[in-house]
Order: sequence, then C-alpha cells, then structure tokens
Amino acid sequence: EVQLVESGGGLVQPGGSLRLSCAASGFTLSDYWMHWVRQAPGKGLVWVSGISRDGSTTNYADSVKGRFTISRDNTKNMLYLQMNSLRAEDTATYFCVRAYDYWGQGILVTVSS
Amino acid sequence: QPVVTQSSSASASLGSSVKLTCTLISGHSSFTIVWHQQQPGKAPRYLMKVEGSGSYNKGSGVPDRFSGSRSGADRYLTISNIQSEDEADYYCETWDDNTRVFGGGTKLTVL
Repeated sequence: EVQLVESGGGLVQPGGSLRLSCAASGFTLSDYWMHWVRQAPGKGLVWVSGISRDGSTTNYADSVKGRFTISRDNTKNMLYLQMNSLRAEDTATYFCVRAYDYWGQGILVTVSS
Repeated sequence: QPVVTQSSSASASLGSSVKLTCTLISGHSSFTIVWHQQQPGKAPRYLMKVEGSGSYNKGSGVPDRFSGSRSGADRYLTISNIQSEDEADYYCETWDDNTRVFGGGTKLTVL
C-alpha cells in the first residue's frame, strides 16, 4: 500500500524557517517525480515544487523561488522541503504528492507572530 | 505555462448525473489533465487521468460511476448515480516540463 506521511509542520514566526519531511512507503521512491502542493485555509490547491527521480532537476513556483528548497533521499525513502524566510502568506496545509496519483494527509504550517 | 479553468460550483440531485468541465487555455488544448476529489476535511484523492485523445485511466478503487472524456480543449469528469459522498471539491491539474497548474476547483453540492 502506497503511503506518504508528512511531518515537521507547526507555528513559526515571520522570517523563520521550517523543514518538512515526507516518509514514503509501499513503492520505490526513485521511480517517481515527487511534488509539494499547498492549500491555504479555505482556498484551492497550489503547486509549490517538484523534484526529478534522481534529484538532479528541481522546479519551483515563482512565489517560493529562492526561499524554498526541495530535496530527496531515495536511500531513506524521504522527501523534504526546506522553507526559509517564511511569510504569513505561506500559511497552508502542505501535501506531499507522488507524481500526480497519491497524496499524503497533509501537514499544517502557520506563519504568525 | 499551461492554464486550466473550472466553474466554481455545480449541483446535482441524489441519483442523477453531473458533468464537470476543465478547460485548457492558450494553446494547450492537447494536454493531458488529471482530476482530483477533495471531500470536506480530507486530503485530495486522485480520480483519473484524461489524455488529449479523450481516453482516461482511473485510480485504484475509483467507482465505475466516475468517467472522463474530452471535447477540444475541454476535459470532463462525469459522475453518474450521484451519492451523498460525492459532495466535494473537484480539481483538475495539468503540467508542462517545469510547472504544474491546478484549476480553481468546482464545489459539487448534492441536493
């Protein structure tokens, strides 16, 4: 059974940093592109970042470029999102997504003083 | 980058059918899209992929009541014999080499 479990969310002050993790199981992580997608409270889905199977290619939404870094460790079956210089508008539930076909349960990130 | 648009809301009666539309904009009419369902308070769930040819492939466990199709730049999600649990937000998504894009979502109300 494919499972994606996010962790590392919480409350952080504006300008602060947070690192999200996604533990993957039930499939071979290195076979898939992986993505982070977020959803602000009461709003729609927004793609944040994606990473190629071997980690050599990374893509970012303009809103997070230069502040967020996606990475992966296929040997540990883990996906990461390092979030720096956080802003209030980054407040959202963040989902780990396998390609387009499996979603994690999401983790809430709140940026507030 | 591609752009997809969706109607913000739709409604249908229990046991009836509804067809939701996702429209590809600006020269991307041949693109593949995927449909996701998000029930209230839950994570999104992948429903199906609809190719530019109109063929569709559903995710594991998606009921037969759900089907996909296309006409030109429009991609459709049809739900037949609507059940109460189908009340949800439905998002379409597409991508190019560098980015992925979601539509704004359609909120389906079951009457």
